[in-house]
Amino acid sequence: QVQLVESGGGVVQPGNSLRLSCAASGFTFSSYAMQWVRQAPGKGLEWVSVISYDGNNQYYADSVKGRFTISRDQAKKTLSLQMNSLRVEDTALYYCVRDDDMDVWGQGATVTVSS
Amino acid sequence: QSALTQPASVSGSPGQSITISCTGSSNDIGTYNYVSWHQQHPGKAPKLLIYEVTKRPSGVTNRFSGSKSANMASLTISGLQAEDEAEYYCSSYTTSSTYVFGPGTKVTVL
Repeated sequence: QVQLVESGGGVVQPGNSLRLSCAASGFTFSSYAMQWVRQAPGKGLEWVSVISYDGNNQYYADSVKGRFTISRDQAKKTLSLQMNSLRVEDTALYYCVRDDDMDVWGQGATVTVSS
Repeated sequence: QSALTQPASVSGSPGQSITISCTGSSNDIGTYNYVSWHQQHPGKAPKLLIYEVTKRPSGVTNRFSGSKSANMASLTISGLQAEDEAEYYCSSYTTSSTYVFGPGTKVTVL
């Protein structure tokens, strides 16, 4: 079945880096745009980034632009999010999401930024 | 990247119909027919209910329907059921090639 499984979350200090991964299965990964959406504790959904199906185009929310980088490995069917210069306000559950329509969601990876 | 606007809460009795509004601008809802609605139960990942304003994914009940007029999109839940009690989020593609969500609407079944 179609599945997205995030990994790589953890607790980091402000200013440090973390890399999230999302393993895709059950569909032709290279045919779909992929996204990251986050949700701070007790808050709503916030869009983070999108990468085109072929990896040639990436877009970011203003809140993460210049600090986060989205990428994909078509052969490994993996989506990644490199997060640098992390801030306390980046603390959230990070969801990997399929397609422009956001039709499939993973269960999320927790990122906690705290000193 | 301004967020979309939704009412904080909407309530209704079982069997009734309710409508949740989602107001954007000419930079998002007003320009594109790429409005989606997601349902999220506590502790669960969001679930896609409506995409491209009016389309329902396979498996989603036809009690959920979407519409759009100018800069505002709407989600209607007909025949309200206890299981519909959840948080509902709208989202839209924008002229900056990004996406934006609304703050969410808590639906309560009385």
